[in-house]
Order: sequence, then structure tokens, then C-alpha cells
Amino acid sequence: QQQVKQSPQSLIVQKGGISIINCAYENTAFDYFPWYQQFPGKGPALLIAIRPDVSEKKEGRFTISFNKSAKQFSLHIMDSQPGDSATYFCAASKDFNKFYFGSGTKLNVKP
Amino acid sequence: SAVISQKPSRDICQRGTSLTIQCQVDSQVTMMFWYRQQPGQSLTLIATANQGSEATYESGFVIDKFPISRPNLTFSTLTVSNMSPEDSSIYLCSVGGVPDSTDTQYFGPGTRLTVL
Repeated sequence: QQQVKQSPQSLIVQKGGISIINCAYENTAFDYFPWYQQFPGKGPALLIAIRPDVSEKKEGRFTISFNKSAKQFSLHIMDSQPGDSATYFCAASKDFNKFYFGSGTKLNVKP
Repeated sequence: SAVISQKPSRDICQRGTSLTIQCQVDSQVTMMFWYRQQPGQSLTLIATANQGSEATYESGFVIDKFPISRPNLTFSTLTVSNMSPEDSSIYLCSVGGVPDSTDTQYFGPGTRLTVL
């Protein structure tokens, strides 16, 4: 059973637009929800993360929205830039132990 | 955060041979993990490398195929044994319990393995 479901699989956005990636989880015991950014040939890099006690967290152009009742969380990239073109993974964990990753979203920001 | 290095960065190996991948981190960490990522796919956890004890393997992965060592708090190795073309993948080391950043995992750059 897939613990974290991510959509869309791929996304094309024009420069300056908003990129939105969604994730849903099953296990209500999860207490940590990070997003990772991965460029080709590189390892995933932590982008932003949220705990379930807040509904939103913003860091620069990146925002996580968290809906505990719906068991969903999403990544919003404002003013998307070509340099944001990468694969994004959401994840969830309990007690920062085992991480369950989504299937990934390949973002292409067109200039 | 943590600075993680992996060796080798890539390798091309023959079927039936074994390859050992090294992971070095610049600080003492409580947890080290090994993942596999096939091209265009998500990350699959192989095992958790426990310092001073046997690694904990996920379903579908066994110690005979993927023996792991963790001799100290900054270093671990993963061996891919008796390789077949199906083992061609990117192997990633990650760490958790980093001092001052204990609540997440940080990833190394990965080792790209091709088995012929």
C-alpha cells in the first residue's frame, strides 16, 4: 500500500507562474512532512518541511499548505523560474525515522 | 545540515560481480539509510544502517544481496552482491539525527551503477 500519493506526475508552468504539487497520506500518525528537490545527477535536497500543528509554512517563494483533516499537503512555488525545473518529492514520517516518499513530480518551467 | 560524500560516483560492472559503495558524513549522526532510485522513479528504502548492530532491511531486500556495514557514526558501506542488470540503479545514502538538524534526512549525491 502506497503511504504517500503524489500528483501530478509532471507539470509544465510558464516563467512567473505558480507551480502546485499535491500529496495525500494515509497514516494519521505521521508527524513530519518534508519536500525534496532533485536535479538530474544529484541527490535529493531538503526544500521545506512542515509539522501537522501548523496549516502553512512559507520560505521565500516556496509554501507548504497542510490540511490535517483531509490528510493532504501541497507545495506552492510562486513566481516559478526556469531554475526551479527539477523533480520534487514529498515525504512523510513518524518520529523522523522511516521516510515514505511520493512518486515524484517533474516540473518544467518554460522561459 | 550535513555534507555527505559517496564513492564511487558511478561505475559500470559485469554481471555476477560485487560493488561496495562508501558513504562518509562530516558529523556524527545517529541514523544512516540506504536507498535505491531507478531512473525516473521514486526512492525505495533498502535498509537502515545501525551503528554497532545489524542493519534493518525493508521488505524485498536481504542481507545476502545487500550487506551493509556501519563501523562508526560517520561512515557506512553498502555492497551490491552478485549483480545482475536489474541492479542497475542509483544508490543513495542519507543521514538523520544530524546535530542541530535532528528532524530530517539529508542525502548524498548518489552512486550511479550500471550492470552489463
